[in-house]
Amino acid sequence: GDSVTQMEGPVTLSEEAFLTINCTYTATGYPSLFWYVQYPGEGLQLLLKATKADDKGSNKGFEATYRKETTSFHLEKGSVQVSDSAVYFCALRERGSQGNLIFGKGTKLSVKP
Amino acid sequence: SQTIHQWPATLVQPVGSPLSLECTVEGTSNPNLYWYRQAAGRGLQLLFYSVGIGQISSEVPQNLSASRPQDRQFILSSKKLLLSDSGFYLCAWSVLRENTEAFFGQGTRLTVV
Repeated sequence: GDSVTQMEGPVTLSEEAFLTINCTYTATGYPSLFWYVQYPGEGLQLLLKATKADDKGSNKGFEATYRKETTSFHLEKGSVQVSDSAVYFCALRERGSQGNLIFGKGTKLSVKP
Repeated sequence: SQTIHQWPATLVQPVGSPLSLECTVEGTSNPNLYWYRQAAGRGLQLLFYSVGIGQISSEVPQNLSASRPQDRQFILSSKKLLLSDSGFYLCAWSVLRENTEAFFGQGTRLTVV
């Protein structure tokens, strides 16, 4: 079945460092891809999404590009802030499904001042 | 605009007691509704989803059940809680349209003691 694999954390960075969180997926069709962020004690918020190959999703300085050839959707940010400390989830949604999202296990990011 | 409400935010229950978590959505009709569980150190596990009133699909066998008595109401229940039911429960909704994301509630932290 479809699945999402993302790098295990925790990831600890200094403020203004470059961030990459790797995400790869396995899917039979052409899914939509998402990054969600979860701040401590809260639910999940959509960070960005991409719906077809070579699409780039971006929001709040974060970017991810839908790479069909490598089945990847890596999350990047050029300069992280302390307020970016959270857990990040990569997810896919199969086309024609009931809308179920399949999530990776999450990557905890801690940014130190 | 659409909003999702989930309550209670935290709950401590003894083993063997019943459970009822409620989720309601406003501002949309006929949403797909989901219950996810997030256990410590694990990703998000889809427990139930519903495409309409009275229609419930279960993803994993377990001690929990779900019901959808109204179009925008989704309830997660248990007759007798187990220690292993502890976790962070998230309700979500989406529309069945390609490329759309799911929107999450703030979650319920359940501790079974």
